[in-house]
Amino acid sequence: AQKVTQAQTEISVVEKEDVTLDCVYETRDTTYYLFWYKQPPSGELVFLIRRNSFDEQNEISGRYSWNFQKSTSSFNFTITASQVVDSAVYFCALRTINDYKLSFGAGTTVTVRA
Amino acid sequence: DADVTQTPRNRITKTGKRIMLECSQTKGHDRMYWYRQDPGLGLRLIYYSFDVKDINKGEISDGYSVSRQAQAKFSLSLESAIPNQTALYFCATSDPGPSTDTQYFGPGTRLTVL
Repeated sequence: AQKVTQAQTEISVVEKEDVTLDCVYETRDTTYYLFWYKQPPSGELVFLIRRNSFDEQNEISGRYSWNFQKSTSSFNFTITASQVVDSAVYFCALRTINDYKLSFGAGTTVTVRA
Repeated sequence: DADVTQTPRNRITKTGKRIMLECSQTKGHDRMYWYRQDPGLGLRLIYYSFDVKDINKGEISDGYSVSRQAQAKFSLSLESAIPNQTALYFCATSDPGPSTDTQYFGPGTRLTVL
């Protein structure tokens, strides 16, 4: 069975601070896919990134960056120079190659104060 | 126009009523899913369908049923709603294939059962 743990329930920062969201996963499969989704206050779920287990290269997209480390089963997400619009709930999710569903973490609520 | 739409967006109903939530997509994806979101629990899979003739139960299918009317339409029914089915419901779609099977979510339906 797959499991995703987001130990941080809530994070509050002041605008322009960096914030890192932790994600730890468990799976016995060697091929799997990791995802991050953003849920702003309006409620929709927005896909941010997908990472394959065989690709440990870190990725940067604007102010967002992701650090994938198989050795520690972690897929952490950093927002650099946070903005108020980054306030949202962020979900980490896992799917294995032989599975149909996403296993979600409980989510981390990020509040960015002006 | 949004690729994945859900109707209604908000619904308040009474215990024992039958209710249907609808999902439509223009992404041309074969796979469709229904999830529910409860505070602190992330998202959990209710049902999924890989094509019009394929319906499968997810983690928490009790009390729910689904209908895949067409490739683009997937409906979720609560035959006799109860208060603990109060939640945010999401429809999602994806294309099959390990390298492309990213799930994209609709805007959600907020359901309240009194």
